[in-house]
Amino acid sequence: GAVVSQHPSWVICKSGTSVKIECRSLDFQATTMFWYRQFPKQSLMLMATSNEGSKATYEQGVEKDKFLINHASLTLSTLTVTSAHPEDSSFYICSARGDGNRATEAFFGQGTRLTVV
Amino acid sequence: AQSVTQLDSQVPVFEEAPVELRCNYSSSVSVYLFWYVQYPNQGLQLLLKYLSGSTLVKGINGFEAEFNKSQTSFHLRKPSVHISDTAEYFCAVSMDTGRRALTFGSGTRLQVQP
Repeated sequence: GAVVSQHPSWVICKSGTSVKIECRSLDFQATTMFWYRQFPKQSLMLMATSNEGSKATYEQGVEKDKFLINHASLTLSTLTVTSAHPEDSSFYICSARGDGNRATEAFFGQGTRLTVV
Repeated sequence: AQSVTQLDSQVPVFEEAPVELRCNYSSSVSVYLFWYVQYPNQGLQLLLKYLSGSTLVKGINGFEAEFNKSQTSFHLRKPSVHISDTAEYFCAVSMDTGRRALTFGSGTRLQVQP
C-alpha cells in the first residue's frame, strides 16, 4: 500500500517560536496533500489543501499567515506553525492523494502532537 | 457541500458480540464513502471504502459496511468484536471529482469489554 510519513511525531515548543512539520509520501507521487487538525476527543478538521508547485487553499477561518504550507515537490509538503501559542497545541495530521489507482483514496501520516508551552 | 453524522459518540460492547456503528451523510453530488479507524495518538487507517458497484463493502479486520443510497447511510458492522478493536472510528465522505477532500463525522468510540 501507499505510505505517508509524518515527522516529528511529537514536538514541544516555547510560545512565540515556529515549528515545522513534514509530510512525505514514500512510495508514490502525491499530487494533492491535505492538512488536518484534531482537538482532543474531536473529529478532524480540514485546514488546507495543497497541490505541488502552487499555493495552498485554506479553509475558512484558518489563518494562512500563521499556518504556512509549502508543497515544493510531489513527495513533500510542510506545515509551519509560526509564532506558536498554547492555543495552537493540537494533533496535526497530513494526508496525501496521488493519481491513477491512488486518486480515490487519501493516505494518512501518523500525526504530530504539538504542545506549546 | 457534504456533511457526515455519526449518531453514536460511544458504543460499549462485550467481546465476541456483534456491533454496528452508524453513519449518515448528506450531499447534493455523488460521493465516495470511507470508514477509518484511529488508535490513540496515531493517524488514520482505512478500514474500507465505497466508490461504486456493490453496495456491500468488505474491509480489513473483519469489518464490512453497506451503502444505502435511499437512506443516505453507510453503517459499519462486525459480527464478532475483539478487545483490539477498541478505538475511535470515523466515517468520511468526499466528492468523486475535484480535490476530493474528506469531510469527517464526529467519530464513534468503540469500547470492547471482556
